[in-house]
Amino acid sequence: KQEVTQIPAALSVPEGENLVLNCSFTDSAIYNLQWFRQDPGKGLTSLLLIQSSQREQTSGRLNASLDKSSGRSTLYIAASQPGDSATYLCAVRDETSGSRLTFGEGTQLTVNP
Amino acid sequence: NAGVTQTPKFRVLKTGQSMTLLCAQDMNHEYMYWYRQDPGMGLRLIHYSVGEGTTAKGEVPDGYNVSRLKKQNFLLGLESAAPSQTSVYFCASRPTGLRNYGYTFGSGTRLTVV
Repeated sequence: KQEVTQIPAALSVPEGENLVLNCSFTDSAIYNLQWFRQDPGKGLTSLLLIQSSQREQTSGRLNASLDKSSGRSTLYIAASQPGDSATYLCAVRDETSGSRLTFGEGTQLTVNP
Repeated sequence: NAGVTQTPKFRVLKTGQSMTLLCAQDMNHEYMYWYRQDPGMGLRLIHYSVGEGTTAKGEVPDGYNVSRLKKQNFLLGLESAAPSQTSVYFCASRPTGLRNYGYTFGSGTRLTVV
């Protein structure tokens, strides 16, 4: 059974800092990995989708990398802003479960002005 | 383009009452999902559908039923609500294709069972 772990569970940084969020998964036979953002009391917003054949994806100040063989992904946020404060969730779709996403529990990020 | 719309957004039920949560998507997606999100448990899959007229069980299906009579709608029913079903419920959808497509989520339904 796929398990997804996100470290750290919570992170507080000053504005302007570059930061890295980590995601690891136990079954490396994945189709893709998706990073989401969730604001308090809100739904999930997709940030980046990385296919299993890709190494990284970039969108603005966000860069996500994937090392499928080691079961790891990182989300890099450059020049963090208070508006980046949210919970970041990592989810994988693997070949065993096919149609399903398995989520980590998230990293709660606070960017202080 | 509305994406995935969930109704209602909030609901309070008494133990034993029934209700239906509606999910509607306007992206012509084949696959639809119901997840629940609980503190310390993350998001867990309740039921899903791979197309109109199909449903399948996820990780935590007990106490829930679903129906997909129309491609654009996926209904989640609670026949006899229990306090353990207090949660935030999310619906998601995606198109067919094994690799290339991500999921789109609704904004959630916050359900409290007292």
